[in-house]
Amino acid sequence: SAVISQKPSRDICQRGTSLTIQCQVDSQVTMMFWYRQQPGQSLTLIATANQGSEATYESGFVIDKFPISRPNLTFSTLTVSNMSPEDSSIYLCSATPASGGTDTQYFGPGTRLTVL
Amino acid sequence: SQQGEEDPQALSIQEGENATMNCSYKTSINNLQWYRQNSGRGLVHLILIRSNEREKHSGRLRVTLDTSKKSSSLLITASRAADTASYFCATDEGNTGKLIFGQGTTLQVKP
Repeated sequence: SAVISQKPSRDICQRGTSLTIQCQVDSQVTMMFWYRQQPGQSLTLIATANQGSEATYESGFVIDKFPISRPNLTFSTLTVSNMSPEDSSIYLCSATPASGGTDTQYFGPGTRLTVL
Repeated sequence: SQQGEEDPQALSIQEGENATMNCSYKTSINNLQWYRQNSGRGLVHLILIRSNEREKHSGRLRVTLDTSKKSSSLLITASRAADTASYFCATDEGNTGKLIFGQGTTLQVKP
């Protein structure tokens, strides 16, 4: 299994500002992903965080709004840029362990973002 | 886009009763995973069932998969108040590792 931590756990931000969320995994993983969960909704994939290269974004999400970094196998960041109240959501990172031959995807505790 | 449809959307039962949640999906899958989420926190992984498996158990949890009907069910036996949470199914998208989530079922277990 993999234990995933995220920082911050929650934040309240002013519109127009940016917030960077950190995701740390306790073991090497192959895949890392970022999801968004809007209030009362299910999870939607934002992007796949690729180690050492640009992230792969899903339809409706762009790099200028959600820049992502993944400098190594266990760490990734997601920045929510130029925030508006519509960005208020829970942001979750996930990862698939490199060992064990399983496709199980583990999730971090989430970052609850409120934009005023 | 959302692939999974879950029903019911909400379920309220008494402690000790069984809870069944269903998930349907649209495309071929390699596996299907069930997760639990307590009060908007992170997702806890419950079970992964592969496309060549029909049933899997873990403690009080039983998951079935019917690939011909593109559906899965999660059964929680002898429910407890602590089982109160939202439950999501998620299917993989090809070999990309990406997960597509259902809308979720909100379960309330009354003591």
